[in-house]
Amino acid sequence: DTGVSQDPRHKITKRGQNVTFRCDPISEHNRLYWYRQTLGQGPEFLTYFQNEAQLEKSRLLSDRFSAERPKGSFSTLEIQRTEQGDSAMYLCASQGSDTEAFFGQGTRLTVV
Amino acid sequence: GQSLEQPSEVTAVEGAIVQINCTYQTSGFYGLSWYQQHDGGAPTFLSYNALDGLEETGRFSSFLSRSDSYGYLLLQELQMKDSASYFCAVRAAGNMLTFGGGTRLMVKP
Repeated sequence: DTGVSQDPRHKITKRGQNVTFRCDPISEHNRLYWYRQTLGQGPEFLTYFQNEAQLEKSRLLSDRFSAERPKGSFSTLEIQRTEQGDSAMYLCASQGSDTEAFFGQGTRLTVV
Repeated sequence: GQSLEQPSEVTAVEGAIVQINCTYQTSGFYGLSWYQQHDGGAPTFLSYNALDGLEETGRFSSFLSRSDSYGYLLLQELQMKDSASYFCAVRAAGNMLTFGGGTRLMVKP
């Protein structure tokens, strides 16, 4: 499978715990995006990378959230001290220089 | 900032044609994209309009009027598998997408 893959697909965590998600983009894509989607809503932009550089962060991305793309390939999104309001689907998308964005299946986070 | 408006729900019968409208307000606009998302699935790209006019891809067409800040997605010869949520999204600098709230399309036999 050469699409965007995300791991894990589902995560249940207790409030206050830290969680980390991983995204493996399509290999030749230099741009990588993180979005968050809640039930019945459209995806909301969180942050994006061009190669290893994080170029934009949404105001939605509080200081409990951090994202990295250390070698310009895979990316991680960490949420510290999770809150119930963090429960959502976290989507990763990658894009090449002349293509549309391809989304992964997402990681569904439930904070209990 | 960006805001997009689209109907929350549309119902149509198999074989029919349906149009999903999208109006937007934006501070930076490169183009309008359309995505399809089945329940539990990933958003999948359908169409993109950077310039005014109609883009046709098989049974799906998308239209853009930049002067009216308006676009639509037209689905023809509806099939049951077309039941899904459809999102319009404004593409801005960096190819970041701002999505509308989505339109849930239900296709009935």
